[in-house]
Amino acid sequence: NAGVMQNPRHLVRRRGQEARLRCSPMKGHSHVYWYRQLPEEGLKFMVYLQKENIIDESGMPKERFSAEFPKEGPSILRIQQVVRGDSAAYFCASSPSSFQGPVLGNQPQHFGDGTRLSIL
Amino acid sequence: AQSVTQPDIHITVSEGASLELRCNYSYGATPYLFWYVQSPGQGLQLLLKYFSGDTLVQGIKGFEAEFKRSQSSFNLRKPSVHWSDAAEYFCAVAPSGGSYIPTFGRGTSLIVHP
Repeated sequence: NAGVMQNPRHLVRRRGQEARLRCSPMKGHSHVYWYRQLPEEGLKFMVYLQKENIIDESGMPKERFSAEFPKEGPSILRIQQVVRGDSAAYFCASSPSSFQGPVLGNQPQHFGDGTRLSIL
Repeated sequence: AQSVTQPDIHITVSEGASLELRCNYSYGATPYLFWYVQSPGQGLQLLLKYFSGDTLVQGIKGFEAEFKRSQSSFNLRKPSVHWSDAAEYFCAVAPSGGSYIPTFGRGTSLIVHP
């Protein structure tokens, strides 16, 4: 059973370009979470999605950032007009649908290996 | 809103020595508590979790943690550290109601000397 798959593992963009990060959740998981990790910091929650719905985007910057989780295909985190401050590791986590809460009654979030985004 | 403090940015221990990583949280009720480990270039792996019940929880790789309500702490321990334990360790707290989304500490980097 494959884990959470994120691609690309590394992404380099120039300032002003767009960055697209993909996350395929574990099989059977319909909840996806995106986190950002700055150097020497913990993970900061960005957005929580279920299939075709954004449930909580309280951690998402108001401009340039967007996320989607379509009915078919991976979840996408999109950053438009990237700036140097967007350089970070972006992690995706997934959890199954049949639990009592997003953090999973007994099944924690499963994390992908992240996408390291570097802005030149 | 909940918050997590990991007061130690770096911890250095000798292989075979015991380990304790500190975690303090702030939350109005009993939260859900987690410890994760992150190896370089990889995502987070769950070591253990506390939801309710026995305040001493056992995890994978020989780790354990104790929830102390009076101290708002959830310290991670291991009796004998192995060189392969060198990694970044994150404590996380999630509310036991509402959004359930966890808040992570800034992490403690564990260095193991031979």
